[in-house]
Amino acid sequence: NAGVTQTPKFQVLKTGQSMTLQCAQDMNHEYMSWYRQDPGMGLRLIHYSVGAGITDQGEVPNGYNVSRSTTEDFPLRLLSAAPSQTSVYFCASMLSSGVDEQFFGPGTRLTVL
Amino acid sequence: AQTVTQSQPEMSVQEAETVTLSCTYDTSENNYYLFWYKQPPSRQMILVIRQEAYKQQNATENRFSVNFQKAAKSFSLKISDSQLGDTAMYFCAFNAGNMLTFGGGTRLMVKP
Repeated sequence: NAGVTQTPKFQVLKTGQSMTLQCAQDMNHEYMSWYRQDPGMGLRLIHYSVGAGITDQGEVPNGYNVSRSTTEDFPLRLLSAAPSQTSVYFCASMLSSGVDEQFFGPGTRLTVL
Repeated sequence: AQTVTQSQPEMSVQEAETVTLSCTYDTSENNYYLFWYKQPPSRQMILVIRQEAYKQQNATENRFSVNFQKAAKSFSLKISDSQLGDTAMYFCAFNAGNMLTFGGGTRLMVKP
């Protein structure tokens, strides 16, 4: 049971480049989410999904796209990277929306130059 | 919208002593859950303890316990017999549905 996996672990982009952060879970969890963590701050929710084909915006969705075609995968796309998107990104999943424990991936450190 | 506030950016404690981390939150919800997460230098987010708002009894997990005051909207974490491995960032978090809202964190240093 690998839990929640994220790739890559580190990434450097130039302003305007696009990329996709990958997230996968093997626990058959319905709920998946993406957070960003900036220095000295807690995690802020970007987008979330309550099941395949269903996504919604969180607190800071601008500049990011998501889709959920399978239960296992929930990729996060940056269409045109900006320096303000330099952050550590965490993917998380839980059995269903509500109040279960969220399981977090190891994070991706993204730097946009 | 919910907000979570951790008023202590940094704290330190001697090994084997007890320390309490503070957290307050603001919500109009009546049913919700509260969590404390630990983030060591490895940056992995680890659940420490959780509390259901409808339960009056404070949650306990080994050396970790909470003081949940629903009327005051307060949710503090007490760590007893502090160990060097407790050194980490600690985040308080609130969930009333689909969105987990985090506080800004408290950096805890356990000194030998």
